[in-house]
Amino acid sequence: QSVLTQPPSVSAAPGQKVTISCSGSNSNIGNNYVSWYQQLPGTAPKLLISDNNRRASGIPDRFSGSKSGTSATLDITGLQTGDEADYYCGTWDISLSAGVFGGGTKLTVL
Amino acid sequence: QITLKESGPTLLKPTQTLTLTCTFSGFSLSPSGVGVGWIRQPPGKALEWLAVMYWDRDVRFSPSLKNRLTITRDPSYNQVVLTMTNVDPVDTATYYCTHSVGGTSLSWGQGTLVIVSS
Repeated sequence: QSVLTQPPSVSAAPGQKVTISCSGSNSNIGNNYVSWYQQLPGTAPKLLISDNNRRASGIPDRFSGSKSGTSATLDITGLQTGDEADYYCGTWDISLSAGVFGGGTKLTVL
Repeated sequence: QITLKESGPTLLKPTQTLTLTCTFSGFSLSPSGVGVGWIRQPPGKALEWLAVMYWDRDVRFSPSLKNRLTITRDPSYNQVVLTMTNVDPVDTATYYCTHSVGGTSLSWGQGTLVIVSS
């Protein structure tokens, strides 16, 4: 059971937009920056977004993040088949004094 | 260029102690807020945060595993070592070390698969 809640899967057609949500609480998302990671099949995760909305180096502007209260969102526009991956949100939890992740969302580009 | 690489045993028996080494380059553990973290992922499952050691040797552990984990550093070799005692088959996972700043894992190693089986 992950501390942060993500939908298990999302799907959309190439060229379309998809939104992945990440829900937490005041002890984590509500009081800390959120990061997003992309894990392509068979590879290590890679940082996409840090500090709620800052794209990592080399990440195209099709990827964007936002945060409101105790929830965060990753938007991916102009979907490409190469975007098919698992996406994870993560942050720090001040009550646990530990890092926490969501359960991951599998993106399928139909 | 920042690189991290995990090394350690592939196969362990239950109750044994797992020792994983993260050898990193391209950054220093000197700046404030910089750390080396450990994250694992059981086959087909989600990421699980394990621990982090910061520049000032401050360490934090997952509450569910803190009694089994220790983390040390050897700055002369740019290495951070994670030790997990009393392993169980549920500890079977790919273990990643990361370059961490604040709560963000900026860079990840390729991961090392650890299998616990009798």
